[in-house]
Amino acid sequence: QQQVKQSPQSLIVQKGGISIINCAYENTAFDYFPWYQQFPGKGPALLIAIRPDVSEKKEGRFTISFNKSAKQFSLHIMDSQPGDSATYFCAASLSGSARQLTFGSGTQLTVLP
Amino acid sequence: NAGVTQTPKFQVLKTGQSMTLQCAQDMNHNSMYWYRQDPGMGLRLIYYSASEGTTDKGEVPNGYNVSRLNKREFSLRLESAAPSQTSVYFCATRLVGASYEQYFGPGTRLTVT
Repeated sequence: QQQVKQSPQSLIVQKGGISIINCAYENTAFDYFPWYQQFPGKGPALLIAIRPDVSEKKEGRFTISFNKSAKQFSLHIMDSQPGDSATYFCAASLSGSARQLTFGSGTQLTVLP
Repeated sequence: NAGVTQTPKFQVLKTGQSMTLQCAQDMNHNSMYWYRQDPGMGLRLIYYSASEGTTDKGEVPNGYNVSRLNKREFSLRLESAAPSQTSVYFCATRLVGASYEQYFGPGTRLTVT
């Protein structure tokens, strides 16, 4: 059962453009929504995260937009650079001591120079 | 500090063979996790250990066992490997009470023939 659905599967953007990746979740008990970035041959690393009590969070060129009523959240990468080319995963977490993450299926982003 | 280390980096097994994937961390984190990553499916949680002395099943535990040897080490064992277990395996850790961020190791690429 996939509780977090991510789209698109792949995305090609020109340098300087905006990259947008979308995720939707089903379980309203999720209370933490991170985005992880993964480069080839490496483990994922936390990029940015949001709690459902805010609608937007910005860190540099990366912004999460969160729509609680629609159960959707998205990652926007402004002024996309070739170095941003990577696989991006959205995830969601439930409260509890273990804070297990449920991941989306991933988006492979390619930024053309 | 090495962070999260995983051994081996690559492994090829024949169907029915057994092996143990090792994970060690030097960050004094409480929680540890094992994920598998398959194309188009994101990362799926196999087992986790919320704290030393405890382990619990994740989303896809069948065919695997784990041991939380001490606070630093969390191993994943395949008793009788199957081709369906061909995957990239990631270990992750988290410091309870500090943040919800999980720190991932570099992964083990396993092929079962």
